[in-house]
Amino acid sequence: DQQVKQNSPSLSVQEGRISILNCDYTNSMFDYFLWYKKYPAEGPTFLISISSIKDKNEDGRFTVFLNKSAKHLSLHIVPSQPGDSAVYFCAATREGGSQGNLIFGKGTKLSVKP
Amino acid sequence: AAGVIQSPRHLIKEKRETATLKCYPIPRHDTVYWYQQGPGQDPQFLISFYEKMQSDKGSIPDRFSAQQFSDYHSELNMSSLELGDSALYFCASSAGMNGGYTFGSGTRLTVV
Repeated sequence: DQQVKQNSPSLSVQEGRISILNCDYTNSMFDYFLWYKKYPAEGPTFLISISSIKDKNEDGRFTVFLNKSAKHLSLHIVPSQPGDSAVYFCAATREGGSQGNLIFGKGTKLSVKP
Repeated sequence: AAGVIQSPRHLIKEKRETATLKCYPIPRHDTVYWYQQGPGQDPQFLISFYEKMQSDKGSIPDRFSAQQFSDYHSELNMSSLELGDSALYFCASSAGMNGGYTFGSGTRLTVV
């Protein structure tokens, strides 16, 4: 059973507009969430993270929102740029535990059109 | 800055052969994670090591084994390879089990 779900396999956005990537999780033990960006033939690159004690974290054009009651998080990219085109993975873990392995979603392929 | 180094980048093996994938973490990172990503799939956690001891185990087949050495590099040994083992294998490292993760570029294993 998929504990981290990214229900949109792809998203297409015009340059300059906002990209919103969504992620849902089922395990209430998760308390730390991360977004990774992945280009073909490369490893995932860390983008931004959020702890469950927060509901928002912002870093430049990237903002992650967390709604714990809904077990939902989203990544907002504003403004979107063609270089943002990649696959975005949402991941979750239990930061407070002794295990640090990440549980990934299946990814959303973002295409930003000029 | 030094990143996580994985070798080889590409590997082609026949069924029933063995393969060894290597991962060199970022200096001073003591935790290594292995992930497997099949075509069109999300990365699946295989196994992790902290201070040369296995810290967690995920969906790693019994045909696979791994270890972390005194210099903190890790090797994933895969035996009796099957066609379904064809995938990208990523290694990530962190400082401590709850540190930030950095992934390597992966090893693409093709079993024919």
